[in-house]
Amino acid sequence: QKEVEQDPGPLSVPEGAIVSLNCTYSNSAFQYFMWYRQYSRKGPELLMYTYSSGNKEDGRFTAQVDKSSKYISLFIRDSQPSDSATYLCAMSPMEYGNKLVFGAGTILRVKS
Amino acid sequence: GAVVSQHPSRVICKSGTSVKIECRSLDFQATTMFWYRQFPKQSLMLMATSNEGSKATYEQGVEKDKFLINHASLTLSTLTVTSAHPEDSSFYICSGRTAYNSPLHFGNGTRLTVT
Repeated sequence: QKEVEQDPGPLSVPEGAIVSLNCTYSNSAFQYFMWYRQYSRKGPELLMYTYSSGNKEDGRFTAQVDKSSKYISLFIRDSQPSDSATYLCAMSPMEYGNKLVFGAGTILRVKS
Repeated sequence: GAVVSQHPSRVICKSGTSVKIECRSLDFQATTMFWYRQFPKQSLMLMATSNEGSKATYEQGVEKDKFLINHASLTLSTLTVTSAHPEDSSFYICSGRTAYNSPLHFGNGTRLTVT
């Protein structure tokens, strides 16, 4: 079993839809959680980062962490075709920048 | 802010040759940089942690003599793939952070193809 599981998709939604992307994990020591967006042939771009449980909102993006269920989510409101990319979750037991474990990524396609 | 520049973006080399990849932090100083490798449709795998002025720390299973890392300044880390073979073909991505316990910012990666 992988430490971090992420549905590879692809997830196809119409423009303007609310998108829900999720990761589950097995290591209860994870405390630092991140979401990255990766366009084809590019490096990952940091979207959101949160510590422990709770919600964090930034513009159209909301990150949720449920440590009791070992489950994290990224919600995208009013999705746009430019949101079409691969979304990677990442987590660490130590700090935001060290010993990160990444999910394999979910491909999102937003159709206009 | 927090821009990481990686060069080259793409390189093709012949088997047995060596390739150097540069990673620069453009607007911050990075005492630590991280080198990742990504296979198609797979997650990023940490290869090594590059520390300015000292030896890199390699993850288990990564050959330090094949993947030479040098971090000679606070803004530059290099990865040299020595005696490259086709199985070394991959997407290599470097990253840095602006401070301890801040998230990583990634470069745009280098697509290495070994023929």
